[in-house]
Amino acid sequence: GAGVSQSPSNKVTEKGKDVELRCDPISGHTALYWYRQSLGQGLEFLIYFQGNSAPDKSGLPSDRFSAERTGGSVSTLTIQRTQQEDSAVYLCASRIRQGPYLSTDTQYFGPGTRLTVL
Amino acid sequence: RKEVEQDPGPFNVPEGATVAFNCTYSNSASQSFFWYRQDCRKEPKLLMSVYSSGNEDGRFTAQLNRASQYISLLIRDSKLSDSATYLCVVIPLLGGGSNYKLTFGKGTLLTVNP
Repeated sequence: GAGVSQSPSNKVTEKGKDVELRCDPISGHTALYWYRQSLGQGLEFLIYFQGNSAPDKSGLPSDRFSAERTGGSVSTLTIQRTQQEDSAVYLCASRIRQGPYLSTDTQYFGPGTRLTVL
Repeated sequence: RKEVEQDPGPFNVPEGATVAFNCTYSNSASQSFFWYRQDCRKEPKLLMSVYSSGNEDGRFTAQLNRASQYISLLIRDSKLSDSATYLCVVIPLLGGGSNYKLTFGKGTLLTVNP
């Protein structure tokens, strides 16, 4: 079946511009995550959506970052006034709740969007 | 101390070698543990979960030591296709406010040489 898809796969932008990154999770997956991975670094949690609950935005690095999830499916991560330090691969992941053991659910990652801010 | 720390690597081993990675975690209440594999310029993919009693999947063996707060991954008879970055992943205690957050280590790069 179809996996998590992200678009664009690559994005080059100029400092100060806004960018929008899109994530299409696996159909039926209620949970959606955004991560950021910089060169040589681990995955940095950004934001988490679960169903209709309020998202956990605790990982967003600044107020230039925002995300929304419409209709419980597609999500958009927006970065305003981009800075060079925003350059990274932005990964989206989704998972489906399986029984009571939420923490054992597998996360499925999309291929990521490679953002380069010049 | 960082939440999740891994061997810095890189590891360069010949085909057929046995290689082991360790990962330590700081939150003693951590509940779930995983190893993910990430190929160059690709997304991470689940390799295996780590169970308290230890578990094996073919050439891969994962172990958990709660007392010392570390997990390990052993790869036997390594193949060229095992070359990748191996990420250690930890999830806090189930039922806590943040049980859904995965914390990733920075990864250990493995290169298997012919």
